[in-house]
Amino acid sequence: QKEVEQNSGPLSVPEGAIASLNCTYSDRGSQSFFWYRQYSGKSPELIMFIYSNGDKEDGRFTAQLNKASQYVSLLIRDSQPSDSATYLCAVKDTPLVFGKGTRLSVIA
Amino acid sequence: DTGVSQDPRHKITKRGQNVTFRCDPISEHNRLYWYRQTLGQGPEFLTYFQNEAQLEKSRLLSDRFSAERPKGSFSTLEIQRTEQGDSAMYLCASSLSSREAFFGQGTRLTVV
Repeated sequence: QKEVEQNSGPLSVPEGAIASLNCTYSDRGSQSFFWYRQYSGKSPELIMFIYSNGDKEDGRFTAQLNKASQYVSLLIRDSQPSDSATYLCAVKDTPLVFGKGTRLSVIA
Repeated sequence: DTGVSQDPRHKITKRGQNVTFRCDPISEHNRLYWYRQTLGQGPEFLTYFQNEAQLEKSRLLSDRFSAERPKGSFSTLEIQRTEQGDSAMYLCASSLSSREAFFGQGTRLTVV
């Protein structure tokens, strides 16, 4: 059974700061990793996916993958109050296996 | 709207009743997934289809749950003899083969 671990938070950061969200996974053979954002009462929304070791940037978001350490992270630069949500890490196993999510609170 | 569509958005039912939810995936997507999510938890996999074939069911899925995708397009999820523990958000997602999955708005079920 593949497992994905996330700190449930809440993680509080001031507006304009960098938010760092972390995720570890159990299966060394996992190849694809996804970050979803979920606002309270809403469904998950895909933010980014990453397949290769290293960094992948998209606007204010950077996903980082270290397969040797079985570690995925999401950095949010210039955090805004609208970024306050739960961030779900998922590992591709067909189907996706999700962590419990980290709740992020950006304080204005 | 060409995203994943779920109906109804909310359902309140009495314990013991049967309920059915519908999901319309993104039109060109051949894979369709059902997940369940409770408060404070990540989405929990229930079952998935590739075209009309149901390829996998979670071992956690009770016999009271059944899903169909008869023509490889929309899907239905039925829960028979609902229990209070079935109260959750039921999420449908679709993808083109093994590419990234996109979620619908979800159906929130409350069993009273």
